[in-house]
Formats: sequence, structure tokens, C-alpha cells
Amino acid sequence: EPEVTQTPSHQVTQMGQEVILRCVPISNHLYFYWYRQILGQKVEFLVSFYNNEISEKSEIFDDQFSVERPDGSNFTLKIRSTKLEDSAMYFCASRLAGSTDTQYFGPGTRLTVL
Amino acid sequence: SQQGEEDPQALSIQEGENATMNCSYKTSINNLQWYRQNSGRGLVHLILIRSNEREKHSGRLRVTLDTSKKSSSLLITASRAADTASYFCATDPLDSKLTFGKGITLSVRP
Repeated sequence: EPEVTQTPSHQVTQMGQEVILRCVPISNHLYFYWYRQILGQKVEFLVSFYNNEISEKSEIFDDQFSVERPDGSNFTLKIRSTKLEDSAMYFCASRLAGSTDTQYFGPGTRLTVL
Repeated sequence: SQQGEEDPQALSIQEGENATMNCSYKTSINNLQWYRQNSGRGLVHLILIRSNEREKHSGRLRVTLDTSKKSSSLLITASRAADTASYFCATDPLDSKLTFGKGITLSVRP
């Protein structure tokens, strides 16, 4: 069964460094998302992406964040200058089409900012 | 407003018993989804119920949706130790991003 994959599974970085989290959505899906989950808290929406542009972003998704679909398969989240409070699990999700379709989540990347 | 608030926050049952988890929400939705998360792992999609559906089954899972009360329930029948996990409801209003609740921690004792 097709699945969303994410790399790396765990990323440790120093405060102020740039990180890129990578996702490979399910191949025929059209809508892509990033969510994050700070330890012990809710899963929070960050950004949605469709047709090569951001369709919606949350207040969390400030100028330090960016997303890109550099080729036909990868979907990346970049954090330009990481802060301690960026430490969280980051989940990528994809959806085939239509708002009644299931969002399938990847296994997540645990980001630890020291 | 907060969406997708589950209750109880924690549930502990014996293997073989049924587990019922509830979710309430505040705004109109397109669909409601339930996910499972094992400790520190990813979100596994369990079931999606559309706003025009009232009940849905998948294996040992039964989901109900009452849009008049803005609530949903997830029933796991004949629970197993492997069902031990956190369960989240996630609502999809009309704009496709999911809003998650805080989750319910289910412990199934062998």
C-alpha cells in the first residue's frame, strides 16, 4: 500500500541553524500538508500546498518557514533559523483530491533544537 | 474556537472489553476523521466519516456522527493489548486543513 515517507526520522540541530525536513507524498496525491506536534500537545496545522503554491498557512508558519516541491516527488519544509521552541515532531500529509478524502500522514521527523 | 475535543482524556480497560471514546466540535464540518498514534510514532488513519453519514464500520471500529450535537464517538470492540495508543479525532471544516483534539490515551490491560 502506498505511504507517505519522511526523512530524517530524527534531526538534532543547534539553535540558529537551518534545517530541511523532507517528505515524499503518495505519488498521485495533489494536496500536501505539514503539521507539527510539540511533545504532549495537540497536532497543529502549519501549511497546505496545492498546485505548486501555498493554499493556506497558520500563524505558526511565519517568515522563518518555507515549503517547496522541488521536483515531482519531494515536498520539503525549511526552517531558516531554528529556535528552541521549534523542537517538535513534524508530520507531512498528503491527500488525493477533494475535501472529503483522507489525509495520510507520514511517520514524522522528530526535530530537536539545542 | 476549539475543535475536536475528545473525552475522556484517559481510558483504561481490560482486554476483551469495548472502548468508547467521544469527540465534540464547534463549527460545521465536511468530515471527521479518527487517527491512532502509538507513543512517539506517526499518525495512523483509522476511519473517516462524512457529514452526511451517521454511522460507519471498519473491522472492530464503529464510528458515529451526530451533526446536530456536533459530536462523534469511536467504539473499539473486543479490545486487544495492541490497541493501546492515543486516539485523536480531527475535523475537516470546509477548508481542508485538519484540526486535532488533544487525544485520548487508551490503555488495554492484558
